[in-house]
Amino acid sequence: EPEVTQTPSHQVTQMGQEVILRCVPISNHLYFYWYRQILGQKVEFLVSFYNNEISEKSEIFDDQFSVERPDGSNFTLKIRSTKLEDSAMYFCASRPPNLGQAGNQPQHFGDGTRLSIL
Amino acid sequence: ELKVEQNPLFLSMQEGKNYTIYCNYSTTSDRLYWYRQDPGKSLESLFVLLSNGAVKQEGRLMASLDTKARLSTLHITAAVHDLSATYFCAVAPYNNNDMRFGAGTRLTVKP
Repeated sequence: EPEVTQTPSHQVTQMGQEVILRCVPISNHLYFYWYRQILGQKVEFLVSFYNNEISEKSEIFDDQFSVERPDGSNFTLKIRSTKLEDSAMYFCASRPPNLGQAGNQPQHFGDGTRLSIL
Repeated sequence: ELKVEQNPLFLSMQEGKNYTIYCNYSTTSDRLYWYRQDPGKSLESLFVLLSNGAVKQEGRLMASLDTKARLSTLHITAAVHDLSATYFCAVAPYNNNDMRFGAGTRLTVKP
C-alpha cells in the first residue's frame, strides 16, 4: 500500500538555525498538510497546501514557517530560525483529489519527524 | 473557529469491560474521522463517518455520528490489551477539506 514518507526521522538542531523537514506524499494525492504534536499533547494543524499554494494556515504557522513543493514529489516544511518551543513531532499528511467519494477519504499520515531544538 | 472536544482525556479500563469515548464539535460538519496513535508512532485511520446516523464497526470498536448534536462516539466492547493507544477524533468543517483534531483519549487496558 502506498505510504507517505518523511525524512529525517529525527532532527537535532541548535536554536536559531534553519531546518527543513521533507515529505513525499502518496503519488496521486493532491492535498498536502503539515501538523505538529508536542510530546504527549494534541495534534495541531499547521498548514494545508493545494494546487501549489497554501489553502489554509493556523496561527502557529507564522512568518518563520514556509512550505514548498519544489518538484513533483517532495513537500517541505521550513522553519527559518528555530526556537526551543518548536521541539515537537511534525507529521506530513496527504489526501486524494475531490473526485466523488474520494474527497471524503481520510488523510494519510507519515511516520513523522521528531525535531529537537537545543 | 472550530473546536473539537474529547472526553475523557485519560481512560484506564479492565480487560473485558465496555466504555465510550465522546467527541463534541462546535460547527457544522459532514465528515468526522477517528484515528489511533500508538506511542511514538503515526496516526492510523480507523473510521470515516459521513452522514447523520452513520455507524461503523471494526472488531471491538464501533463509531457513530449524530450531526444534529454535533457528537460522535467511539464505543469499546470487551476491551483487550491490544486496544491500548491514544484515540483522536478529527472534524472537517462543512465545505472545507481541512481537519481539526480533538485532544485525544489515552486508553490503557489492564489485565
